[in-house]
Amino acid sequence: DGGITQSPKYLFRKEGQNVTLSCEQNLNHDAMYWYRQDPGQGLRLIYYSQIVNDFQKGDIAEGYSVSREKKESFPLTVTSAQKNPTAFYLCASSAAGTGGGRNIQYFGAGTRLSVL
Amino acid sequence: SQQGEEDPQALSIQEGENATMNCSYKTSINNLQWYRQNSGRGLVHLILIRSNEREKHSGRLRVTLDTSKKSSSLLITASRAADTASYFCATLPYSGGYQKVTFGTGTKLQVIP
Repeated sequence: DGGITQSPKYLFRKEGQNVTLSCEQNLNHDAMYWYRQDPGQGLRLIYYSQIVNDFQKGDIAEGYSVSREKKESFPLTVTSAQKNPTAFYLCASSAAGTGGGRNIQYFGAGTRLSVL
Repeated sequence: SQQGEEDPQALSIQEGENATMNCSYKTSINNLQWYRQNSGRGLVHLILIRSNEREKHSGRLRVTLDTSKKSSSLLITASRAADTASYFCATLPYSGGYQKVTFGTGTKLQVIP
């Protein structure tokens, strides 16, 4: 059963705490992405990775960190420096390149993060 | 920054009616995609239209692209209650090197049974 798995579905963060959101894909995609979605809003790109051991900041990277040690995994850490972390976080993956619809993104079901 | 802006922000129609939503963007594109998001879920890809295409169909979906006006429209014909969702356009800029897909702000569609 191919796809992207995000866990947990719900996550609560205490003041000053770092939390890590998991994202795993078995689609053999090279590129992976993390987005933040606030209520009633579109998606904002946090980080993306085109290949293992390489990643770039998106539009709102401050207060977040990522790693890409394996092709199938792209975890996101929300650090204590992110002062307003409450949001819906979406992970996605795509094949590399832009031809033939290779940039079509496949999304996980999301993680809803709240602050206690 | 948001490349695509959808219009209207919200749309409420009766089941069986057609739903039209529009997307405007700012820079030249390689392709434009439409995605659907059910409440509290991830996005699902619906259809991709390339910059050299003007119209594309997929089932009850019809997408048009006008590159001179930098706009696209998504038409859902004979809508069903199950079509209730938010719809987003996403654009891939036309330039060399790796470019990021940028999502618009979305249209929230409600189909009333």
